[in-house]
Amino acid sequence: DQQVKQNSPSLSVQEGRISILNCDYTNSMFDYFLWYKKYPAEGPTFLISISSIKDKNEDGRFTVFLNKSAKHLSLHIVPSQPGDSAVYFCAASPLPYSGGSNYKLTFGKGTLLTVNP
Amino acid sequence: KAGVTQTPRYLIKTRGQQVTLSCSPISGHRSVSWYQQTPGQGLQFLFEYFSETQRNKGNFPGRFSGRQFSNSRSEMNVSTLELGDSALYLCASSTGLAGVTQYFGPGTRLTVL
Repeated sequence: DQQVKQNSPSLSVQEGRISILNCDYTNSMFDYFLWYKKYPAEGPTFLISISSIKDKNEDGRFTVFLNKSAKHLSLHIVPSQPGDSAVYFCAASPLPYSGGSNYKLTFGKGTLLTVNP
Repeated sequence: KAGVTQTPRYLIKTRGQQVTLSCSPISGHRSVSWYQQTPGQGLQFLFEYFSETQRNKGNFPGRFSGRQFSNSRSEMNVSTLELGDSALYLCASSTGLAGVTQYFGPGTRLTVL
């Protein structure tokens, strides 16, 4: 049972345009959401996070939107650059920490973003 | 601050052998989590250690085990290796508090022949 789903395995956009990566989740206990970027043969790099008390968080070119009622979040990259080409993972965890049984990140399977010059 | 380090970066083993992977977290971080990444499966949670205690465990067989030392460094052990254990093993560290970000190391690429 996949609790975090990234339904698009790949996405291709032109340099300078907007990239929108989507993520859906099923576990209503999830309250904290993160996006990571991963290049081949490297570990994931943290990009941006959002907690359930907010519906939007921005950091430079990256904005994450959370729609809790729809159990959906998205990552917007504006403008997209060729260096953004990587696999993007959505991850989620419950809040608050409740004794150890729930403290872990659940990841989606990733979306390969290709930004064409 | 130095990031998360993992050693070795690459390993080749044969079926039936065992392997130990090492992870040094970011200074001050008390939580270390381990993940397995295989093609098509994304990152799957193995276990998490906090202050030398396993706090959380994923759905992996008992052949996968770990431990954490008093300096927060962690090791992961896989016994009786199977071909399906070939994967990128990632370690992540955090302060261990709820709702905080985990920071990943570069991973150890394990190949089982």
